[in-house]
Parts: sequence; structure tokens; C-alpha cells
Amino acid sequence: IAGITQAPTSQILAAGRRMTLRCTQDMRHNAMYWYRQDLGLGLRLIHYSNTAGTTGKGEVPDGYSVSRANTDDFPLTLASAVPSQTSVYFCASSDRTSGKYNEQFFGPGTRLTVL
Amino acid sequence: DAKTTQPPSMDCAEGRAANLPCNHSTISGNEYVYWYRQIHSQGPQYIIHGLKNNETNEMASLIITEDRKSSTLILPHATLRDTAVYYCIVLSDRGSTLGRLYFGRGTQLTVWP
Repeated sequence: IAGITQAPTSQILAAGRRMTLRCTQDMRHNAMYWYRQDLGLGLRLIHYSNTAGTTGKGEVPDGYSVSRANTDDFPLTLASAVPSQTSVYFCASSDRTSGKYNEQFFGPGTRLTVL
Repeated sequence: DAKTTQPPSMDCAEGRAANLPCNHSTISGNEYVYWYRQIHSQGPQYIIHGLKNNETNEMASLIITEDRKSSTLILPHATLRDTAVYYCIVLSDRGSTLGRLYFGRGTQLTVWP
């Protein structure tokens, strides 16, 4: 693994189903983030984690939950998917210990369609 | 955090310099100017950032006006691979908003042959 990986690459999901998007980084970054990007819009922050064991809400957290059990993994869960959660989801990480809080490395994204 | 204003689109001939402007008239003293770009269907990529002095790295140069109310990202010799959406983001290096990037709509730069 080099950098950040996300899985799945894409997914079609029925409304009401539960879905977990996976994100793993091998850079030992302490901070991780989840963004969504909708057609014609910039990225919006969903949730973030400054360090393992802590999480926080971003700009659009409703309908999503996250956990940070260890440094490398930061899964995003949709408990009961709705069509408005159709989007491209990006995971990112940054190294707070070096002071580079705002220099984020992004994964390739997960394209999610909720029908 | 300060808001930014960028033109929605620009174009540039391959091999020429691309100069992307950004206005951030409400920037405060401890806020940095960051630039990211997003090539189609990929995740965003960090380019450069600065506080008040001009900065240069292997990807680009960043020119910040003396009053810090605007900045320009310069790609000195644009290539077709530089076609992307470029985001100017103003963000503090401390406090509760640390790391919480606000991307906005950015500038679509198209480099043509």
C-alpha cells in the first residue's frame, strides 16, 4: 500500500441499506477526513479525526458515522442510505505532528449511487 | 475562516504560464493561503501554501499581495496534464478549524495544445 486506499471503487446501493466505506492509509498520519463531492460542487467535509480514538463533525455530518479505532483506518458508515447520499466520497489524511495539518493527501474516491 | 473568490474558468496555451487569481479580502493575520487542484475523477492534490511571502516549489509559485487580500498561483509552463479544477483555500494553522478545508467551486483551468 502506498498512500491512501479506498474501497470499494464504486457501489450501487438500495435505499435503506447499510454501507461502510473503507479508508486505509500507510503514512502514519494522525489526522483523517471524509469528504463528499456532488456534481458541480466543491468538496464538503463530513467527519474528521484528529487522532486515533477521537472524531468530530464536519460541514455535512447528518446520516453518516465514523470510527477511528487505530491510526491507519477510518471507515465511514451510512446506517440507512438515502438517494441524497449519492455522491463521490473522498478520504484524506494529514500529519499534525509535523505541523502540516492542512496539507492533506487524498484517496482515489468511492463513487456511491443510492437508488 | 475567510471566504475566497475565484473565476469559474480560465484557459491557457500549453507551454505558457498559467496565472490563477484568488481574492480573499477578509483574510485574518494567522490565516494561510492554500492551493489544491483536482484532476478529473481523481482526489484533490495539495500544491502550495503561503502566509505573506512569495513561495515556490517544484509544482508552482504563489504570489501574495502585500495587503494579503489576493494571491496568484502561477504554473510557469503549463502542460495538458495541468488541466484541472484549482481551489484557493484560506485557513488558519491553529484553532478548532485546523485541517477542515473548505473547497468552494474553484477555477476550471483548461490547457490547450
